[in-house]
Amino acid sequence: DAKTTQPPSMDCAEGRAANLPCNHSTISGNEYVYWYRQIHSQGPQYIIHGLKNNETNEMASLIITEDRKSSTLILPHATLRDTAVYYCIVRVANFNKFYFGSGTKLNVKP
Amino acid sequence: GAVVSQHPSRVICKSGTSVKIECRSLDFQATTMFWYRQFPKKSLMLMATSNEGSKATYEQGVEKDKFLINHASLTLSTLTVTSAHPEDSSFYICSARGSRSSYEQYFGPGTRLTVT
Repeated sequence: DAKTTQPPSMDCAEGRAANLPCNHSTISGNEYVYWYRQIHSQGPQYIIHGLKNNETNEMASLIITEDRKSSTLILPHATLRDTAVYYCIVRVANFNKFYFGSGTKLNVKP
Repeated sequence: GAVVSQHPSRVICKSGTSVKIECRSLDFQATTMFWYRQFPKKSLMLMATSNEGSKATYEQGVEKDKFLINHASLTLSTLTVTSAHPEDSSFYICSARGSRSSYEQYFGPGTRLTVT
């Protein structure tokens, strides 16, 4: 079962930062936080993951609170192509399965 | 990043027939592959996990005789929907985990199945 809670939808203006929150209050010490996104009728795309430190890559930044009970995915300059459903998933590193929650539909508007 | 393909991308079949969907890892060996289904405007639901050379393990509520999974090689897993009915119409997505990394899964583009 999914262990995360996300708002169902968010709007963001093109060119502005998109901040997508995720609640994972029951996360265990050995569970990572992963973010994937799914553009309409495509397979999910990996964005970023982290354990407790903040992470940044070419796509996004991941901010994890000190108590690890929540995190925020930041798309620094959202474009129309970033319109998608964003999924936050927690998972033990060497455990295979991903259980998807309901995700957040991000609408980037011109 | 690693590439996973699915074939076909779309398939329409008649009720009562069986349809096979292939999932291939193109540039890495996938020791484990996963199958998901997704209904319109819904999230992905994990159906089963297949490990190369062994029987698939199914999630609770998924009929193993209905959804046959074979993972005969390190680059290919197949999902066969047997005796398909209109309620089996869905978007089927596979993912693969490579042996080198336990951190990421790579998802295929999905297969849209329509049963008429």
